[in-house]
Amino acid sequence: GQQVMQIPQYQHVQEGEDFTTYCNSSTTLSNIQWYKQRPGGHPVFLIQLVKSGEVKKQKRLTFQFGEAKKNSSLHITATQTTDVGTYFCAGRETGANNLFFGTGTRLTVIP
Amino acid sequence: KAGVTQTPRYLIKTRGQQVTLSCSPISGHRSVSWYQQTPGQGLQFLFEYFSETQRNKGNFPGRFSGRQFSNSRSEMNVSTLELGDSALYLCASSPGTSGAVSYNEQFFGPGTRLTVL
Repeated sequence: GQQVMQIPQYQHVQEGEDFTTYCNSSTTLSNIQWYKQRPGGHPVFLIQLVKSGEVKKQKRLTFQFGEAKKNSSLHITATQTTDVGTYFCAGRETGANNLFFGTGTRLTVIP
Repeated sequence: KAGVTQTPRYLIKTRGQQVTLSCSPISGHRSVSWYQQTPGQGLQFLFEYFSETQRNKGNFPGRFSGRQFSNSRSEMNVSTLELGDSALYLCASSPGTSGAVSYNEQFFGPGTRLTVL
């Protein structure tokens, strides 16, 4: 079955440093979504990538979808304390509707 | 628009009991998905309902079941509770599409935290 792995599991950064989380799927994905879950909260949708090699930006966040549509990354430039939380990728296999979530990367930002 | 609501927010049960959780999606959303979130296993997909039909199912035992009503509200039931069922149960809704694969984002509710003693 499909597996979506994310690394690293945890990341501590000083405020102002950059942060990247990587997502890898065992199968080709039709699309990938990214979510952020603040401590004690629920996942909140950030973005969806559909095309091979797609790159999207949201202010300090840059999202990439791999050429083979099996991997993705989220990069945050100059982290702020408001970036604290767990970031999840979630992918769908081509032709399927199930959304498989990655294991998540918990980001801690040290002020 | 009101967000996704889930009731109850917290629940304590004992082993062997059964539990029913409720989810009201965003108005107009027809797809409702359920997830189990635990520290060790992360977010795991339980099932998805669309227009009162279970459209997709994750890899959970038959003790986990659900249904969706004509107003898109959904319930999830877990029978013969086990200690390992302690988790945050999240419901998510999306507009959904009929037949074709849905590419829509998921809007999550606050979750029901179930503790099994």
